[in-house]
Amino acid sequence: EAGVAQSPRYKIIEKRQSVAFWCNPISGHATLYWYQQILGQGPKLLIQFQNNGVVDDSQLPKDRFSAERLKGVDSTLKIQPAKLEDSAVYLCASSPGTGKMFFGYTFGSGTRLTVV
Amino acid sequence: AQSVTQLDSQVPVFEEAPVELRCNYSSSVSVYLFWYVQYPNQGLQLLLKYLSGSTLVESINGFEAEFNKSQTSFHLRKPSVHISDTAEYFCAVSSGGYQKVTFGTGTKLQVIP
Repeated sequence: EAGVAQSPRYKIIEKRQSVAFWCNPISGHATLYWYQQILGQGPKLLIQFQNNGVVDDSQLPKDRFSAERLKGVDSTLKIQPAKLEDSAVYLCASSPGTGKMFFGYTFGSGTRLTVV
Repeated sequence: AQSVTQLDSQVPVFEEAPVELRCNYSSSVSVYLFWYVQYPNQGLQLLLKYLSGSTLVESINGFEAEFNKSQTSFHLRKPSVHISDTAEYFCAVSSGGYQKVTFGTGTKLQVIP
């Protein structure tokens, strides 16, 4: 099966600019996640979708970050305006499970964002 | 709330020597436990997982981890490492049935020729 697709692979922007990342999960996976991985740290969950609804966005900085998964398939994550501390790798993951059946994520390769 | 502690940020080891990467977790309910590996400039790959049943789980490339409920640990071991094992390893926990996975800060394994 095809893996989780993410684009772009790399992005460099100036602070206060906006940027968007795209993710296409594995076909049929109901749950989609966006993680932020700052250099030297473990991934931190930003938002979790179940189909096209938000399950958890408690750690999403909502004043500048937004995400959507309108048709319950692919998803976009946007940052507007970007700050220097947003420099990180943004990882998308998907999982087939619903309810209590869970077997782990499949991650995409990530988008490396550098804010200058 | 769930959390993961990986005390060792870096572990250097000579090729063909054994290695143990430590992981301790905190959760008030039953857990699922995972080890992910991240090779340089690549995404995270699932290495092995504990969901239920046997407390010793193995990966296809010789790693194993043992779930120890009394010590709330899930340490990763390999009896003989190879240069290709050089990577960063993340321990992760999921609990409560919400499919939310919390990651540790990672351990960089450096295999020395």
